Amino acid sequence: DTGVSQDPRHKITKRGQNVTFRCDPISEHNRLYWYRQTLGQGPEFLTYFQNEAQLEKSRLLSDRFSAERPKGSFSTLEIQRTEQGDSAMYLCASSFRVHSGANVLTFGAGSRLTVL
Amino acid sequence: GQNIDQPTEMTATEGAIVQINCTYQTSGFNGLFWYQQHAGEAPTFLSYNVLDGLEEKGRFSSFLSRSKGYSYLLLKELQMKDSASYLCAVRDKGSGGSYIPTFGRGTSLIVHP
Repeated sequence: DTGVSQDPRHKITKRGQNVTFRCDPISEHNRLYWYRQTLGQGPEFLTYFQNEAQLEKSRLLSDRFSAERPKGSFSTLEIQRTEQGDSAMYLCASSFRVHSGANVLTFGAGSRLTVL
Repeated sequence: GQNIDQPTEMTATEGAIVQINCTYQTSGFNGLFWYQQHAGEAPTFLSYNVLDGLEEKGRFSSFLSRSKGYSYLLLKELQMKDSASYLCAVRDKGSGGSYIPTFGRGTSLIVHP
């Protein structure tokens, strides 16, 4: 297993366009998270899936953002009508529950979005 | 909701010891993580505390006091490669009832010779 994969690594788009990011988690991980990170800040939570069910979604998340995990494996994050404020690194992470209760997140390398 | 506070930047000398503090306020605490993030890279897991006390792992140790809403990460025998951002993350209950790691803004540690 090569870890968490994200695609594309970099995306430059014009304001108003739609973009979609893909995340392939570690195969045995049933939990998947999306975060957004800007320079000098920590990762900001966007949404969480357990298998195919979207169980958590940040209240700060605009309705322009939508995420899916149709078969409980890979996930997509779509941003519609992009704005310059959407420019950030979009991080995907996956985890599985261990007996101690810790869900240690393994992050992908991220997809960097630049909106012109 | 959550409020996680950690210093923005710290500097230290190679070979020394540094302590990075994290204070938090949450409504449903269920564990605290420390992650390391080098510039341009993804965060990587360092430690997890859910009970009070000290967890030691090689050169790194992490301490938790739940009653004080306080944790620290202790780095010993600092090396140049330890220059990175250190992220404190608290597992808190989201609106849907699941526990979600929420991150602080990170502490940028600069190790100089």
